[in-house]
Order: sequence, then C-alpha cells, then structure tokens
Amino acid sequence: QKEVEQNSGPLSVPEGAIASLNCTYSDRGSQSFFWYRQYSGKSPELIMSIYSNGDKEDGRFTAQLNKASQYVSLLIRDSQPSDSATYLCAVNSDTGGFKTIFGAGTRLFVKA
Amino acid sequence: NAGVTQTPKFQVLKTGQSMTLQCAQDMNHNSMYWYRQDPGMGLRLIYYSASEGTTDKGEVPNGYNVSRLNKREFSLRLESAAPSQTSVYFCASSERGGRGSYNEQFFGPGTRLTVL
Repeated sequence: QKEVEQNSGPLSVPEGAIASLNCTYSDRGSQSFFWYRQYSGKSPELIMSIYSNGDKEDGRFTAQLNKASQYVSLLIRDSQPSDSATYLCAVNSDTGGFKTIFGAGTRLFVKA
Repeated sequence: NAGVTQTPKFQVLKTGQSMTLQCAQDMNHNSMYWYRQDPGMGLRLIYYSASEGTTDKGEVPNGYNVSRLNKREFSLRLESAAPSQTSVYFCASSERGGRGSYNEQFFGPGTRLTVL
C-alpha cells in the first residue's frame, strides 16, 4: 500500500468551477500536511499547509483535513487556466520529523 | 533572495562516470534535502541533513553520497552513475525539520540528469 495516495487524473474542470483534489495517507502518526503545485518542467511550490482537523482557507484555496479518516483535500475555487498543473500531496510523520512522503500527484486541467 | 539554487540544470553522463550536484540556500534554513522525481512515482527522499554537520539516509540512498559543506550548501555525489539514476533531482530546504516542526520545504529548480 502506498503511503500517500492520490488519483493521478487528469482532472478536467471548466474555468470558474471548483476543482477538488483528494489525498489519503496511511501513517496515523502524521502531523503535518502540505499541498504543492508543480508546473510542467518546474519545481514544486508550496501553496498550502495544514496541521489540525478542519478547513484552512487562503485566497481561492481551501485545504481540508480529517485525521480520523486519514484524508486531506484541496479545493480550488474559481479555477483559472493558470491553475493547470500537477498538485502534490505531502505528509510529514512526527516520527523523526524529517521524512516527508509525497504522493505521485494529480494533474489538473482548467479549460478556458 | 535567490532561495534555493542548484547547478547544473542539465547533465548527460555515461555509465560509470561520476559527478556532483550542487545546492545552496540563502534563507538561513537549518535542514536540507535531496529528492529524485521519476514519472508516476512522486518525489522520493535520497538523503537529508537535519542541521549543519549531520546527514542521514532517506528512502533511496543507494548509489549516492552527500556532503553538508556548511549551513548554506548541500551537495549530492554520484560515484559511478547508472542508467537507473536517470531522473530529475531536486534540492529543498526547511527552516527546521525534526519532531514537532512543520517542515515546510522550499525547492530548487532541479537538475535533469540522463545516464546513458
């Protein structure tokens, strides 16, 4: 079983719609959760981090965490073509604290 | 601030050749990391350095060595390159890793390595 799982996509949404990206993880000791955006040929860029259950909003982005279900999600409101990228879910276990596990990513296409 | 910088951006090696990938950060971060990214497999941790003077193995350390030269610089060396090491290599840094930290990481632009 993969430690961090994401649907590889591609996920295609029309411009202006809400894009919903999902991620599950296997380590119940995980404490920190991140979403990175990666444009083709570029490096990952941190866009959201969340540490406690519930929702965290930053502009058009909302991260949701449910530790009981071992589930983290990212909502992108009013999606724009510039949001088209691969979104990587990352989970940091508290055990040792240095081991961040990345999912393989979900490719998002926003159609104009 | 340049953030995290990496050199070279591209490299082609023949099997058995050696090379060193360089990484530097100017954010005064304590922790630094080397990852490789292969299609469909996400980022995998090769080595990390919790702080200046320390290094530890990650998930896929075989065939690599690292040096934390000082707080700013963390290099990755391939002693005898193999085709299986063809990948994109990313260096990252965080203010502080370890238990209880948030460990938000910031990435360099990457090195695209091909081993023939």
